[in-house]
Amino acid sequence: GAVVSQHPSWVICKSGTSVKIECRSLDFQATTMFWYRQFPKQSLMLMATSNEGSKATYEQGVEKDKFLINHASLTLSTLTVTSAHPEDSSFYICSARDQLGQGDDTGELFFGEGSRLTVL
Amino acid sequence: KQEVTQIPAALSVPEGENLVLNCSFTDSAIYNLQWFRQDPGKGLTSLLLIQSSQREQTSGRLNASLDKSSGRSTLYIAASQPGDSATYLCALANQAGTALIFGKGTTLSVSS
Repeated sequence: GAVVSQHPSWVICKSGTSVKIECRSLDFQATTMFWYRQFPKQSLMLMATSNEGSKATYEQGVEKDKFLINHASLTLSTLTVTSAHPEDSSFYICSARDQLGQGDDTGELFFGEGSRLTVL
Repeated sequence: KQEVTQIPAALSVPEGENLVLNCSFTDSAIYNLQWFRQDPGKGLTSLLLIQSSQREQTSGRLNASLDKSSGRSTLYIAASQPGDSATYLCALANQAGTALIFGKGTTLSVSS
């Protein structure tokens, strides 16, 4: 299957600092990537949809000024948690769809390994 | 609004048992449904993908079925092994190109 890589896999930062998480599709192009957040023992909650070359679409309740998303190329989307606070500590996972071409898209989403953020 | 429910939330079985994990959804107009496995602290591993036009998919000891009319999917695991211990997530897409909506998962523990 297609490979999605996330970096870093874990990060610890001080309260008030900003952290950038990268999501790369290694062997395919993705015009759309999705960012999810997962709190302990909870399921994945969609935060935003990242579209290459345009602004991200955020889910209700997600602060777009706090969670900055940039999708500058067909293989890279970044999530920046600005002025992080302890309540932002979570597991962040990105996903992308391997677009084989119109009419040939199975719609299967591939996920990165996730990035665990701990804010002290 | 689409909602995905998984029962049971947790399941413990001895090695060798066949088991069924359940997933239900409220809106039957789905595009596809995926089953994932998640190990503690790790990302997701895709297990099976079922298109809306399909009834089931099989991979090794895993079989996933889909009944759109009743809003249900099941994941059948045959001859369970301790290595199967993980959280299993059911997720679906309402339309092509849209994000997946996840259930809360079933945490499976298989004892040797």
